[in-house]
Amino acid sequence: SQKIEQNSEALNIQEGKTATLTCNYTNYSPAYLQWYRQDPGRGPVFLLLIRENEKEKRKERLKVTFDTTLKQSLFHITASQPADSATYLCALGTSSASKIIFGSGTRLSIRP
Amino acid sequence: GAVVSQHPSRVICKSGTSVKIECRSLDFQATTMFWYRQFPKQSLMLMATSNEGSKATYEQGVEKDKFLINHASLTLSTLTVTSAHPEDSSFYICSATRDRANTGELFFGEGSRLTVL
Repeated sequence: SQKIEQNSEALNIQEGKTATLTCNYTNYSPAYLQWYRQDPGRGPVFLLLIRENEKEKRKERLKVTFDTTLKQSLFHITASQPADSATYLCALGTSSASKIIFGSGTRLSIRP
Repeated sequence: GAVVSQHPSRVICKSGTSVKIECRSLDFQATTMFWYRQFPKQSLMLMATSNEGSKATYEQGVEKDKFLINHASLTLSTLTVTSAHPEDSSFYICSATRDRANTGELFFGEGSRLTVL
């Protein structure tokens, strides 16, 4: 069955370090992958989209990689700040489906 | 950016009553809207996909008679939880896409927290 797994439920790192979150998938051939940020009690907010033919995407302090061989995406936040603390969700979409499937999320905490 | 408004943000109701949640795209026409529910510390579970002017497509295990979805216009979709029970208490979130092929960004509402007493 199709499965999307985000490496850990929670990640706690020191301010200024790079946070790396992992999204793995099985029995799936996504056409694209997205990352969202969700704060407690709020709806998710879109961060980045990367397509299957792209290896890497950057946006300010964010970097996403997409390895279709390993079936994995890595999400990096460089120079992390306490304001980056949130839950981060990966989401996969295929060209044949009209819906996007979400991973369970990783709760990131950046300590000062 | 595109804005999706969801109302109400919080609702408390008695068991057996029905609750309607609205999802509006404020500055764009949404070709498709999605409804999710989310339990604490869990991810979004897609309930149904809603296209304007047609019946919603429900995910497996979601009762269509329990969760009524109406998508009357390109800017409004509603979810009605009928005869709500305590186990229906959850965080309900809608999202909308401008992309007819649904290959792009989803714009999410702020969510509606339903508590059934």
